[in-house]
Amino acid sequence: EDKVVQSPLSLVVHEGDTVTLNCSYEVTNFRSLLWYKQEKKAPTFLFMLTSSGIEKKSGRLSSILDKKELFSILNITATQTGDSAVYLCAVEPPYLMRFGAGTRLTVKP
Amino acid sequence: DSGVTQTPKHLITATGQRVTLRCSPRSGDLSVYWYQQSLDQGLQFLIHYYNGEERAKGNILERFSAQQFPDLHSELNLSSLELGDSALYFCATGQGGSSEQYFGPGTRLTVT
Repeated sequence: EDKVVQSPLSLVVHEGDTVTLNCSYEVTNFRSLLWYKQEKKAPTFLFMLTSSGIEKKSGRLSSILDKKELFSILNITATQTGDSAVYLCAVEPPYLMRFGAGTRLTVKP
Repeated sequence: DSGVTQTPKHLITATGQRVTLRCSPRSGDLSVYWYQQSLDQGLQFLIHYYNGEERAKGNILERFSAQQFPDLHSELNLSSLELGDSALYFCATGQGGSSEQYFGPGTRLTVT
């Protein structure tokens, strides 16, 4: 059965720290892996990754996919309190989406 | 604002009742995904429609059904409601294929 596992489940850091969130997966007919940020509302799209080894970057956030080892990481540098959220990883086999349980990141001032 | 709209925002109803949740996609989006998010279950995929046709079913109960209309809006019908159906229901839309999804604000359903 398809599986998406995120780690850690919870993380508390201080402003300015760098964090790495992990997502490992087992899925039949992988198409893409997506990262979302969820605050107290709907998830918002961060990145979509389809190819191994190509880093996607947006400001202080970056992500990379390893299709051989079946995982992805999301890096956040120089964290800010506004980065506090649940970060969700989702994997797309054809036509559906499998979400991980998420990593709850808390950034303290 | 993702451009995806969902109505109603909140819904409170009694066990055994039936409700309909509505989702209007962003302009140009052909795919609609429905998700259920409860505190103990995380985000669960329910069903996916593409251009009016059902493409995939996930953890959707037989009491639940959905459809996508010619104007591409979608409705999720929940019947014989139980207390455990209380959750946040999201729809997400996209252009289809391997593309990012944009989430609506969700409908919070409370079954009493």
